[in-house]
Amino acid sequence: AQSVTQLGSHVSVSEGALVLLRCNYSSSVPPYLFWYVQYPNQGLQLLLKYTTGATLVKGINGFEAEFKKSETSFHLTKPSAHMSDAAEYFCAASRTGTASKLTFGTGTRLQVTL
Amino acid sequence: DVKVTQSSRYLVKRTGEKVFLECVQDMDHENMFWYRQDPGLGLRLIYFSYDVKMKEKGDIPEGYSVSREKKERFSLILESASTNQTSMYLCASTTWIKQGESEQFFGPGTRLTVL
Repeated sequence: AQSVTQLGSHVSVSEGALVLLRCNYSSSVPPYLFWYVQYPNQGLQLLLKYTTGATLVKGINGFEAEFKKSETSFHLTKPSAHMSDAAEYFCAASRTGTASKLTFGTGTRLQVTL
Repeated sequence: DVKVTQSSRYLVKRTGEKVFLECVQDMDHENMFWYRQDPGLGLRLIYFSYDVKMKEKGDIPEGYSVSREKKERFSLILESASTNQTSMYLCASTTWIKQGESEQFFGPGTRLTVL
């Protein structure tokens, strides 16, 4: 069975600092990978996704993620955190590639301090 | 603009009540999903539907049922609500397009409290 692991349920960074949110997947077949963001009292919004091709994926709001097959990882980064980035972030995987039947990680809450 | 709406943002019900959560999408999507979100557990799939009148169990279907009579509407039913069903419920939809290029669009969620 496929699983998604997010290391760190809470991450705190200073404004302007690097953001690194970790995601590892467990699968014998490289899955399709997604990062979603959830702002307070809202639904989930897609940040970026990896399907095939280029392993470095750029998303909205300055975020990017790199698919590393050898490490089974898909970590999310942003060079400089902004206060508006404070939210919960979810990594998800799908084997079928159509975004159906997503398996989600447990989420990482990002706090941005002055 | 893509839109998934849920009938209530907040709902309070009593143990044993029958509860209906409604989800409507205006994108003509074939696939619709119901998740529950709990702290430390992420999102877990309850049920999904690939077409009208079709449904499949997700990872945690116990205590829930669903109904999809029209393409745009997907209802989640708690036959007899219990306190352990207190949670945030999220609806999502997606469409079959070129493999790997679709995404799930989420509604704002319904926070259900069962007393």
